[in-house]
Amino acid sequence: QKEVEQDPGPLSVPEGAIVSLNCTYSNSAFQYFMWYRQYSRKGPELLMYTYSSGNKEDGRFTAQVDKSSKYISLFIRDSQPSDSATYLCAMNGNAGNMLTFGGGTRLMVKP
Amino acid sequence: ETGVTQTPRHLVMGMTNKKSLKCEQHLGHNAMYWYKQSAKKPLELMFVYNFKEQTENNSVPSRFSPECPNSSHLFLHLHTLQPEDSALYLCASSQETASVYGYTFGSGTRLTVV
Repeated sequence: QKEVEQDPGPLSVPEGAIVSLNCTYSNSAFQYFMWYRQYSRKGPELLMYTYSSGNKEDGRFTAQVDKSSKYISLFIRDSQPSDSATYLCAMNGNAGNMLTFGGGTRLMVKP
Repeated sequence: ETGVTQTPRHLVMGMTNKKSLKCEQHLGHNAMYWYKQSAKKPLELMFVYNFKEQTENNSVPSRFSPECPNSSHLFLHLHTLQPEDSALYLCASSQETASVYGYTFGSGTRLTVV
């Protein structure tokens, strides 16, 4: 079993839809959770960062962490074609560990 | 443009060639990383340097040879590669390897081995 699981997609939605991207993980020591966005032919860029359980909102993006279920989500409201990219989740535990990445979900938002 | 710059952006090389990838970060970070990203596969960590010292070699074949002359520069020397080594090679940096704030990535070098 992989330490972090992420549905590879592709996920295709119409413009304006609400998108839900998810990761599950097995290591209960993970406390820091991140979402990266990677456009084609570019490196990943940090999109959202959360610590422990709860929600964090930034504009159209909401990151949600449920540590009891070992499940994290990224919601995108009013999705735009410019949101079309691969989204990678990443996480680590206490200081001293390196990031563990999910495999990424490819999202396509159609006009 | 991010604070991590990778050159070249694209590289095509034959299996007998020798080439080098370069990474430079302008963020004052102390840790630098090489990752390999192949189509439909997760990011694969290759090497980690912390304060110029290699702290991780993730069972990478010896045809990949990293070099970190200082905390701002990282190289990946390539020789006698195989076609399956074709991938996007990403450099990243962070304040330290224990960073809980994530890594900053460069745009990558798209390598094609023919």
